[in-house]
Amino acid sequence: GIQVEQSPPDLILQEGANSTLRCNFSDSVNNLQWFHQNPWGQLINLFYIPSGTKQNGRLSATTVATERYSLLYISSSQTTDSGVYFCAVEPYQTGANNLFFGTGTRLTVIP
Amino acid sequence: DAGVIQSPRHEVTEMGQEVTLRCKPISGHDYLFWYRQTMMRGLELLIYFNNNVPIDDSGMPEDRFSAKMPNASFSTLKIQPSEPRDSAVYFCASSFGTGVPGELFFGEGSRLTVL
Repeated sequence: GIQVEQSPPDLILQEGANSTLRCNFSDSVNNLQWFHQNPWGQLINLFYIPSGTKQNGRLSATTVATERYSLLYISSSQTTDSGVYFCAVEPYQTGANNLFFGTGTRLTVIP
Repeated sequence: DAGVIQSPRHEVTEMGQEVTLRCKPISGHDYLFWYRQTMMRGLELLIYFNNNVPIDDSGMPEDRFSAKMPNASFSTLKIQPSEPRDSAVYFCASSFGTGVPGELFFGEGSRLTVL
């Protein structure tokens, strides 16, 4: 099956710092989404971004589908950004509607 | 708008007992997914439905697990009999898509502990 690798696995930031999270995938995809799982376990959809660039406040994401990677940028980080960030992809094949999740990047923002 | 609603939020049961988890998807969404999250295996898709019809149940661990979607606003995931290794957080998610699922929205999860 498709492999989804996220890096770094863990990241500790001082409040106000910027960061870049990376997601590499091993095959062509129809669909790529970024999620944030907060410390209470809730999974929040951040971006639906199979290609191109999107921005939402301090967060932005870029997917380069031809090179099989996506990046999530967090600027001016806040303690509320702490949690685990997941990348999930849907392989590019007929009938495959299964989102495969990476193992996540655990972000800790310290005041 | 209400999000995906799951119940119960927490369930503690003894091995051998039947467990039923419930999910109400977002109104108008035509895809519903059941995921399981554990430390060892991360987030795994168990089964998903399109227009109430099960499409892919290849992720269901074994015959002890079953899922139904009797109508567009309700789904259940049942484990019978439950075992300690079933302990996990079970998430329901829904999306709207024309042919392929779109943006995925998760419920708050049901944390299951089997003693």
